[in-house]
Amino acid sequence: AIQLTQSPSSLSASVGDRVTITCRASQGISSVLAWYQQKPGKAPKLLIYDASTLETGVPLRFSGSESGTDFTLTISSLQPEDFATYYCQQFSKYPLTFGGGTKVEIK
Amino acid sequence: QITLKESGPTLVKPTQTLTLTCTFSGFALTTSGVGVGWIRQPPGKALEWLALIYWDDDKRYSPSLNSRLTITKDTSKNQVVLKMTNMDPVDTATYFCAHDYGDYAFNYWGQGTLVTVSS
Repeated sequence: AIQLTQSPSSLSASVGDRVTITCRASQGISSVLAWYQQKPGKAPKLLIYDASTLETGVPLRFSGSESGTDFTLTISSLQPEDFATYYCQQFSKYPLTFGGGTKVEIK
Repeated sequence: QITLKESGPTLVKPTQTLTLTCTFSGFALTTSGVGVGWIRQPPGKALEWLALIYWDDDKRYSPSLNSRLTITKDTSKNQVVLKMTNMDPVDTATYFCAHDYGDYAFNYWGQGTLVTVSS
């Protein structure tokens, strides 16, 4: 199975900060990677698919990029509503797999 | 508007079989390319994919749980059912169903249902 390793597992940041989360795949996944945001007690919300395509309605401060098997989610200016846990997920090969999550906390 | 909702028992005993139903609206599971998946999340832990069923009845399972899982669909009722046998306390989790967006991502999710496994 393809392993997705997210880093860091948690981070503290302030409103207005630029935040970067990394997801490393154990093998090539042809850009078929999604990013989700999850708030406590809620279902995940799709932010980005195909590594860099913003889902409709998602603020432009969110962006995704890739370099080989490394994928990055960037929040350009952290807003209060962005404090949550973020997961990456690959849809390239079965079994589908998720990263371990990155919790973004208020500094 | 696409919506999904999970239903089933909140408490099951060890060794019992869990049956969860995902009732959806806003799309048809007869449309080419459409799928519905199940994902779970133990309390405080990460998401784990379980199974997925496609419009053409193709089914995929997590290898680690394959022997315990069965996913089926009833297109007339707009429902997808997941059965998991031999439940154990480690299976305690919130179980989500989600709409498969063309094998790119899960773009719509149900609210989730917490299932506790305890005697």
